[in-house]
Amino acid sequence: TQLLEQSPQFLSIQEGENLTVYCNSSSVFSSLQWYRQEPGEGPVLLVTVVTGGEVKKLKRLTFQFGDARKDSSLHITAAQPGDTGLYLCAGGTSGSRLTFGEGTQLTVNP
Amino acid sequence: NAGVTQTPKFQVLKTGQSMTLQCAQDMNHEYMSWYRQDPGMGLRLIHYSVGAGITDQGEVPNGYNVSRSTTEDFPLRLLSAAPSQTSVYFCASSYSVRGLRDEKLFFGSGTQLSVL
Repeated sequence: TQLLEQSPQFLSIQEGENLTVYCNSSSVFSSLQWYRQEPGEGPVLLVTVVTGGEVKKLKRLTFQFGDARKDSSLHITAAQPGDTGLYLCAGGTSGSRLTFGEGTQLTVNP
Repeated sequence: NAGVTQTPKFQVLKTGQSMTLQCAQDMNHEYMSWYRQDPGMGLRLIHYSVGAGITDQGEVPNGYNVSRSTTEDFPLRLLSAAPSQTSVYFCASSYSVRGLRDEKLFFGSGTQLSVL
């Protein structure tokens, strides 16, 4: 079983601060996806990275896939209350399955 | 476009009861799947389907049955509910099976199930 470990599990910060969430595995993934989930809703895809070392930016969010395709990070610059939510990473393989991490619950306080 | 629709939103069962969680998608997606979400454990795959008539087990299939008679529908059946099945259940679909690693999963809004 391929495992993805996310850290930290919980993060509470003030508006305007920067933060980084990590997603690590001992396994190699062909792709890595990041989702955000709000209370009472299903996860929504933010980004997919597929190439080792790849960096993608989505406004104030920066996503990076590790060179060895075993880890990924999500960096948020100048966090806002609207960024509050559960952030999930998910690793893809050549099969029809995604392996999800446990999630990072982010709270941004005004 | 409704996307992925799950019913019911909430359900309370007694141990031993059976029920079916419904999932329908109107995007003509080949791939459909069921996940359960428990605190601190992320999303775990229960069953998935790569097309009508084809299903396979995921990471935690015990206690659950599925079938896929049409492209649109993918119901999840609990034959004899147990307290360990208390969880939030999500149905998800994706356009292409072959390119799943690059494909976007569309999730329903979930069913919160409590088994007493």
